[in-house]
Amino acid sequence: EDQVTQSPEALRLQEGESSSLNCSYTVSGLRGLFWYRQDPGKGPEFLFTLYSAGEEKEKERLKATLTKKESFLHITAPKPEDSATYLCAVQDPYSGAGSYQLTFGKGTKLSVIP
Amino acid sequence: DVKVTQSSRYLVKRTGEKVFLECVQDMDHENMFWYRQDPGLGLRLIYFSYDVKMKEKGDIPEGYSVSREKKERFSLILESASTNQTSMYLCASSPRTQETQYFGPGTRLLVL
Repeated sequence: EDQVTQSPEALRLQEGESSSLNCSYTVSGLRGLFWYRQDPGKGPEFLFTLYSAGEEKEKERLKATLTKKESFLHITAPKPEDSATYLCAVQDPYSGAGSYQLTFGKGTKLSVIP
Repeated sequence: DVKVTQSSRYLVKRTGEKVFLECVQDMDHENMFWYRQDPGLGLRLIYFSYDVKMKEKGDIPEGYSVSREKKERFSLILESASTNQTSMYLCASSPRTQETQYFGPGTRLLVL
């Protein structure tokens, strides 16, 4: 069974204090790893897709990296508007429900204090 | 931009009522999904559809059914709502040739 574990569950940072969120996964095969941002009461907003170990993608203060067993979301000099829950998901082409299914982690709730 | 819309942001229903949640996407995506999201449990897949009139069960289909009569519209049906179906319901869509799923704003359902 596919498993996705995110850590920490919650993270408080001072504005400008860089840090990383972790997503570790156990899958039979990896078609893609996805990062989403979710604001309270809203649907997840797509950030990145990573396909193979060594791949990196950046968007503003966020950079996502991927290894064979985990992914990191690095946040550089965060601002209060970066406060949100960040979700990681994997797509396993061998999953029982078909190759379209995403398995989500439970998220990391990030709070950036001014 | 991809746009996925859901018919209601908030919904309050009584136990035993039949509930319809509607989702519409405007990007001609083949795949559509229904998830529920609960504190401590994360997002869990209820059903998905990869084409009109086609559907597949996800991880937690019990108590739910779906309908996809048109490509842009995917409905989630609670035949007889129960209190344990109180949750945030999220719809998503993706093109057949791409894995990224795009989510709607969610419907927060309260069953009393």
